[in-house]
Amino acid sequence: AQSVTQLDSHVSVSEGTPVLLRCNYSSSYSPSLFWYVQHPNKGLQLLLKYTSAATLVKGINGFEAEFKKSETSFHLTKPSAHMSDAAEYFCVVILSGGSYIPTFGRGTSLIVHP
Amino acid sequence: DAGITQSPRHKVTETGTPVTLRCHQTENHRYMYWYRQDPGHGLRLIHYSYGVKDTDKGEVSDGYSVSRSKTEDFLLTLESATSSQTSVYFCAISQNMGETQYFGPGTRLLVL
Repeated sequence: AQSVTQLDSHVSVSEGTPVLLRCNYSSSYSPSLFWYVQHPNKGLQLLLKYTSAATLVKGINGFEAEFKKSETSFHLTKPSAHMSDAAEYFCVVILSGGSYIPTFGRGTSLIVHP
Repeated sequence: DAGITQSPRHKVTETGTPVTLRCHQTENHRYMYWYRQDPGHGLRLIHYSYGVKDTDKGEVSDGYSVSRSKTEDFLLTLESATSSQTSVYFCAISQNMGETQYFGPGTRLLVL
């Protein structure tokens, strides 16, 4: 079985400060991991993905995530938050060698204060 | 943006009525998915399709049926809508299972 846990339902930061959105997964197989962003009243957009290549993955808009197998984590970071980063973020895990059905975390709402 | 449209974008209906949501893609992707999004639950998979006339159930399939008669169209039907099916519904597509998914803009459904 696979599952994904986003450890914070809300994260609040000031503009210009670092962002950390946490994601832990459980999987018996090698996972593919994704982060998606959803702006208000919009569909989801891919930020970045890990598929067993480099463990540090760079995405769009300055976001990156590091796959840590020993910690079963795939945390999303950005050095400096921008007001336009305010959105809902979803971590997604897909088993390789399993059912290939995506499992979504419950989401983290990023709030950016001026 | 990937060529995915959903119709209608908003719908209000009454309990017990049938409702059909349409997802249309112009990317010729093999896989299509229907999700519902509810506060505190993230996205939950309802049904998915891996080809014309080939579909399978997801995590929350009760009360929903799907059909795919053409590569580009994936229909989600609520045979008899209930208030618990009030939600935002997203369609997604992917080239292959396990790969990046591309999402439509969503349909807001309110069942009174």
